[in-house]
Amino acid sequence: GQQLNQSPQSMFIQEGEDVSMNCTSSSIFNTWLWYKQDPGEGPVLLIALYKAGELTSNGRLTAQFGITRKDSFLNISASIPSDVGIYFCAGAAYSGAGSYQLTFGKGTKLSVIP
Amino acid sequence: GAVVSQHPSRVICKSGTSVKIECRSLDFQATTMFWYRQFPKQSLMLMATSNEGSKATYEQGVEKDKFLINHASLTLSTLTVTSAHPEDSSFYICSAQDRDEQYFGPGTRLTVT
Repeated sequence: GQQLNQSPQSMFIQEGEDVSMNCTSSSIFNTWLWYKQDPGEGPVLLIALYKAGELTSNGRLTAQFGITRKDSFLNISASIPSDVGIYFCAGAAYSGAGSYQLTFGKGTKLSVIP
Repeated sequence: GAVVSQHPSRVICKSGTSVKIECRSLDFQATTMFWYRQFPKQSLMLMATSNEGSKATYEQGVEKDKFLINHASLTLSTLTVTSAHPEDSSFYICSAQDRDEQYFGPGTRLTVT
């Protein structure tokens, strides 16, 4: 099946620093999504990317859909303590009957040192 | 954004009993909902795709007779873990599809004793 390689696995950064994480895949996806998950909660959608090459921002977050459709990155600028959590990339592939299945990366655990 | 709720948020049950988890899309209709399982410090693993009015599609290795899914309306899907065992203890998360995006519920922590 499809697999996503997400890196880095974990990061420790100082408050105010910028962060970058990425995902690569052996398969093409129609859509790339980035989620943040806090402990004991469900993932929250941060950014959705629909077109190859698309660059989208959401506040301090910026994500890009790779030209090959097999990769994506997420940048967080000027990190703050509430950015702490686990970030997951997910690739969406059309699975028929109007539905899309998500394949998740293994996550990047972000720790921000005040 | 779209809101998805789950109930209960936590449940403890005895081995051999069954547990039902509800997933609701609160402000949109979802013809497709998904059920995931997440073990500690791991990613989300898709268990099944639930389509309103039809049978669920299960991922390889997921027992359909053990994890019963019902999607009776456009806003509600239920997952019933039958004859639960301690190894079924996990964090179960549902999501609902709204156009090209999936929105997740807050999850249900199941502990089987």
